[in-house]
Amino acid sequence: DQQVKQNSPSLSVQEGRISILNCDYTNSMFDYFLWYKKYPAEGPTFLISISSIKDKNEDGRFTVFLNKSAKHLSLHIVPSQPGDSAVYFCAASGAAGSARQLTFGSGTQLTVLP
Amino acid sequence: DADVTQTPRNRITKTGKRIMLECSQTKGHDRMYWYRQDPGLGLRLIYYSFDVKDINKGEISDGYSVSRQAQAKFSLSLESAIPNQTALYFCATSDPNQPQHFGDGTRLSIL
Repeated sequence: DQQVKQNSPSLSVQEGRISILNCDYTNSMFDYFLWYKKYPAEGPTFLISISSIKDKNEDGRFTVFLNKSAKHLSLHIVPSQPGDSAVYFCAASGAAGSARQLTFGSGTQLTVLP
Repeated sequence: DADVTQTPRNRITKTGKRIMLECSQTKGHDRMYWYRQDPGLGLRLIYYSFDVKDINKGEISDGYSVSRQAQAKFSLSLESAIPNQTALYFCATSDPNQPQHFGDGTRLSIL
């Protein structure tokens, strides 16, 4: 029973265009969401996060949008660059005490074409 | 130097063997975590520790044990390895309510 779903295993985008990666969740107790980026042979690295009290968070070329009613979040990368090619994981956590355990989606492989 | 170091990076072993994966960190974080990643799946939490005296089971702890030898060291053991434990294993650390920082992983193959 996947509580965090990334339904697109892969996405290809032209350099300079917008990349939109999507994530859906089912657990209404989740209140904090993160995106991680992973290159081959490396561990995931934190990219951007958003709390459920917000609907948008921006950091440079990266913006995360949260739609709580639809239980959906998305990561926008504008403009996309070849170095953005990586696997992107969506993760969520709920206020289960102070545990902050993360539940990950299965990832989306983004390829930015030069 | 990496902030979160996992050893070994790769390991091939046989069914029934005892395996230990080690993780050390220089970030000074109290919280440490072990995850596994299987093809087509996200990372799943095996065990986590909030300090040296605190160990908690995660989503998939069966067949695994951990030891928190010091604030900076958290090891994962497979007492009797089986083929379906073949996976990519990640260690992570964090401060409370802050994003987790991951090591580069250990690729474990059990024949």
